[in-house]
Amino acid sequence: GAVVSQHPSRVICKSGTSVKIECRSLDFQATTMFWYRQFPKQSLMLMATSNEGSKATYEQGVEKDKFLINHASLTLSTLTVTSAHPEDSSFYICSANPAGDSPLHFGNGTRLTVT
Amino acid sequence: GEDVEQSLFLSVREGDSSVINCTYTDSSSTYLYWYKQEPGAGLQLLTYIFSNMDMKQDQRLTVLLNKKDKHLSLRIADTQTGDSAIYFCAERYNQGGKLIFGQGTELSVKP
Repeated sequence: GAVVSQHPSRVICKSGTSVKIECRSLDFQATTMFWYRQFPKQSLMLMATSNEGSKATYEQGVEKDKFLINHASLTLSTLTVTSAHPEDSSFYICSANPAGDSPLHFGNGTRLTVT
Repeated sequence: GEDVEQSLFLSVREGDSSVINCTYTDSSSTYLYWYKQEPGAGLQLLTYIFSNMDMKQDQRLTVLLNKKDKHLSLRIADTQTGDSAIYFCAERYNQGGKLIFGQGTELSVKP
């Protein structure tokens, strides 16, 4: 079945540094990938839609300059959290689907802790 | 607007059936999904149903969709302790479109 790989699974960084998270579709090409954020005991909130070869589409309230998204190839999207602060600590999950009508498959998520 | 609602907790005994309910507001949604999340892990797709279907069964899982009432349910037969997790329903609006998630239902299975 469709596999989405996300790295790293866990990262701890100091406040003010930047962190890059990768999302790869392993056995299919994805022109669109999605980035979600999940706070403890809460649901997933869509942050942005990553579009291959063009700019990402951000949801209302998400700072595009803070959460940089790059989708340079059909199998890789990256999310960079710039100048991270403790309030950015969260669980970030990406998803993609093989074709328009296929269900979305999710990566295993990245637990970011900013100290 | 976009809104998906779920009850937050469900507790059952091992061997019983579990029924997790979900309501949604947008009648234009095309697909409805059920995902399972274990502690510290990502989301595992359990099953999904197209909006023109009423029911879908896959082994121990049965999904019922009442489009008139905008109500979706997931029934897990013969629930096992390994089924303990958070279950999210989600609706999707168009091809390749984003998913809107419910709050998640924490299923606790007692031996």
